[in-house]
Amino acid sequence: QQQVKQSPQSLIVQKGGISIINCAYENTAFDYFPWYQQFPGKGPALLIAIRPDVSEKKEGRFTISFNKSAKQFSLHIMDSQPGDSATYFCAATYNAGKSTFGDGTTLTVKP
Amino acid sequence: DGGITQSPKYLFRKEGQNVTLSCEQNLNHDAMYWYRQDPGQGLRLIYYSQIVNDFQKGDIAEGYSVSREKKESFPLTVTSAQKNPTAFYLCASNVGNPNNQPQHFGDGTRLSIL
Repeated sequence: QQQVKQSPQSLIVQKGGISIINCAYENTAFDYFPWYQQFPGKGPALLIAIRPDVSEKKEGRFTISFNKSAKQFSLHIMDSQPGDSATYFCAATYNAGKSTFGDGTTLTVKP
Repeated sequence: DGGITQSPKYLFRKEGQNVTLSCEQNLNHDAMYWYRQDPGQGLRLIYYSQIVNDFQKGDIAEGYSVSREKKESFPLTVTSAQKNPTAFYLCASNVGNPNNQPQHFGDGTRLSIL
């Protein structure tokens, strides 16, 4: 049962453009929403995270927007760079730290 | 440096063979997790442990076994009952409670069938 749906599956953006990845969840018990970045052959690493009592969080070029009523959240990467090319996973956490992950989005930033 | 160490990086399994993947953490985290990653399917939870000497099945536990005898170690055994073991296996840890803490991942073990 897919509890976190992520889209798109792949994304191609020009350098300097905005990359947007969306996630939707069903379980209202989720109370922490991290995004992870994964490079080939490496494990995912935390990029940015948000709690449901906040509608937006920004860290540098990365912003999470959170819509609690719609049960949706999204990652925006401003001024996308070729070094941002990676796979991005959204996640939702509950039950003492256990997470459910989206299926991932492969981002390619063209120079 | 604090972190999670997975070994080996690459592992090959023969038919009918059990293999064990190692995961060690020096972050003093209570909770540890094993995930399987297949192309286009994201991370699927195999087993997790929130405390020493206790662990629970995740979504795809069949054909796998774990132990948690020490806080810093959470080895995963892929048994011969797992008929499609070829995948990238990731170990992770976090403090467990409270919920609003990220998971820290190792760099994975890629398992293939000979």
